[in-house]
Amino acid sequence: GAGVSQSPRYKVAKRGQDVALRCDPISGHVSLFWYQQALGQGPEFLTYFQNEAQLDKSGLPSDRFFAERPEGSVSTLKIQRTQQEDSAVYLCASSFGGLKQETQYFGPGTRLLVL
Amino acid sequence: AQSVSQHNHHVILSEAASLELGCNYSYGGTVNLFWYVQYPGQHLQLLLKYFSGDPLVKGIKGFEAEFIKSKFSFNLRKPSVQWSDTAEYFCAVANQAGTALIFGKGTTLSVSS
Repeated sequence: GAGVSQSPRYKVAKRGQDVALRCDPISGHVSLFWYQQALGQGPEFLTYFQNEAQLDKSGLPSDRFFAERPEGSVSTLKIQRTQQEDSAVYLCASSFGGLKQETQYFGPGTRLLVL
Repeated sequence: AQSVSQHNHHVILSEAASLELGCNYSYGGTVNLFWYVQYPGQHLQLLLKYFSGDPLVKGIKGFEAEFIKSKFSFNLRKPSVQWSDTAEYFCAVANQAGTALIFGKGTTLSVSS
């Protein structure tokens, strides 16, 4: 596709439910990033993949958050036992290589609301 | 830890006014700096970036930014804003490992016609 796509675009979950958020990066992009954006804030880093390898997961807020990219393309961010503080927009981004100066291309985000 | 601060939370301008949005970062070494914009209902997109060379960087839609190492700043400028520039603007710096962007909290720009 032409850009990064994410699904679902909106998700409402009851507290305690598990959710799975999907990201389809731009074809051929090696690097994939997940960010969490709370209302009125800038995006905050969650985790980074280079191909299928998760090289940095320092931003994951708790062990309830888990991400994978098994074949080096599509990625899934899973949140177990959701809490109200997990309500946010989850952004996925991809870049062609793994260099610091490369542009990250962002998807539209998944807006998660936990009731 | 690296951080980015954006001084202005909300800026309101009339069309044709000049714009300058402040951005300061904390890291003193080699930096890779970015300005992203999010138009209403759209996703984040790159305006411009700096990683080396000429400290005055030109981006899309007439925007430019100046990297001033001594001030740890990367301010965004546009000489004459348009109504269509109404958006949220984020300054970001790549972390040392190159595995993440560290964003500021953003500045909301409202331009009245």
